[in-house]
Formats: sequence, C-alpha cells, structure tokens
Amino acid sequence: AQSVTQLDSQVPVFEEAPVELRCNYSSSVPPYLFWYVQYPNQGLQLLLKYTSAATLVKGINGFEAEFKKSETSFHLTKPSAHMSDAAEYFCAVRKPNTGNQFYFGTGTSLTVIP
Amino acid sequence: DAGVTQSPTHLIKTRGQQVTLRCSPKSGHDTVSWYQQALGQGPQFIFQYYEEEERQRGNFPDRFSGHQFPNYSSELNVNALLLGDSALYLCASSLVTGETQYFGPGTRLLVL
Repeated sequence: AQSVTQLDSQVPVFEEAPVELRCNYSSSVPPYLFWYVQYPNQGLQLLLKYTSAATLVKGINGFEAEFKKSETSFHLTKPSAHMSDAAEYFCAVRKPNTGNQFYFGTGTSLTVIP
Repeated sequence: DAGVTQSPTHLIKTRGQQVTLRCSPKSGHDTVSWYQQALGQGPQFIFQYYEEEERQRGNFPDRFSGHQFPNYSSELNVNALLLGDSALYLCASSLVTGETQYFGPGTRLLVL
C-alpha cells in the first residue's frame, strides 16, 4: 500500500514567521512526491515536486521541501509567511509503475495571523 | 496557453438523477484523471483515461463512468446519484509519460 499522512489538520502561524507543514509517506519503492495548494473555491495548484533528483526541492511562492528517506518525510517549509499563503495544502504521492495515480493526504489548513 | 478547464462550475441535482461533468485538458496533454474531493478531505482518485480507454480505476462503484474523446477531452458520468456524491470533482491532465498532474478548478456537485 502507498499513502501519505499529513500530521496536522490546521497550522496557525504569525505573519513573517516560518512555516512548516508536515508530510510522511509510506512506500515500498522510491516515490514521486508533490505538494499542492488549494485556495478557497479553487482547484489544486502545484507548488513543488520531488522526482528522485535533488532531495531539496524549491517551488513557487518561496516554498521548499526536503525529501528525507530515513524519516520517510517530505515536509513543506517557508522562511516567512505572508497573508496570501493562507490556504489548504495537500501532500500527494504518485504510485510508481502503474500509471499516474496520485494518493493525497487529508490536507493542512494554514492560517496566517497578522 | 489554456490550462485545464471544467464545466459546469456548479451543479445541483436530486437523488437518483444522473450527471455529466466535462473536462478539457491542458494543451498537449493526452491523459485525464478524475478525482472526488469531499468537504474537508483530500482528493480521491476515481479513474484515468488515456487513448480513449480507462487505464486505471480507484475504489468507486460502477455508477461512476467516463469517456475520453479523440481530442483528449473527457466526461465523468455519475448515475443514480446519492447524497454522498456531493463533492468537488476535479479533473487533472498530464502526459502519459509525465510525472505531474495539473488540475482544473473543479465542478462542485450538490445532491439534494
């Protein structure tokens, strides 16, 4: 089986404070991992992806994530939160060798406090 | 370059009815996947179409069916609607050889 676990359903941060959204995966083979952001009443926008190249991946809007095989983690970070970062964030894993099926976590709601 | 588009944006149906949702993939993409996102949940994979055939299917009943056309656009059909089918339905497109899926804005279905 292959899945992702997002450990926090809600994360509040103050504006300009650092952000960390946690994601752990379970996979018997090296996976492809993704972070997507969803703003209210919108679809999913790709933030960044890990596809077995560099373990530290930089994405849009100043976000980055580090693939840690030993910890089976792919946490999303940003040095300084902006009000516009308030949204729902989803971690996803692609099931390898069987097409392009994605498994999503349950999401983390990021609240930015002014 | 248009991204993934979906229609309609919102839909209200009653139990037992049938619904058809539509998706046009990103230009150059040949694969379309459909997801159901219930309120407060992550998207759940329904199925994927490539070369006009269903390539993979998630854990959804046969009431959920689809189609892909020669221009790569796709439809999702749901028969005998249940209250529990109320959700945001997302379409994602990709290349069959690619690793990334790009999502449309979704269709919000409400079943009364």
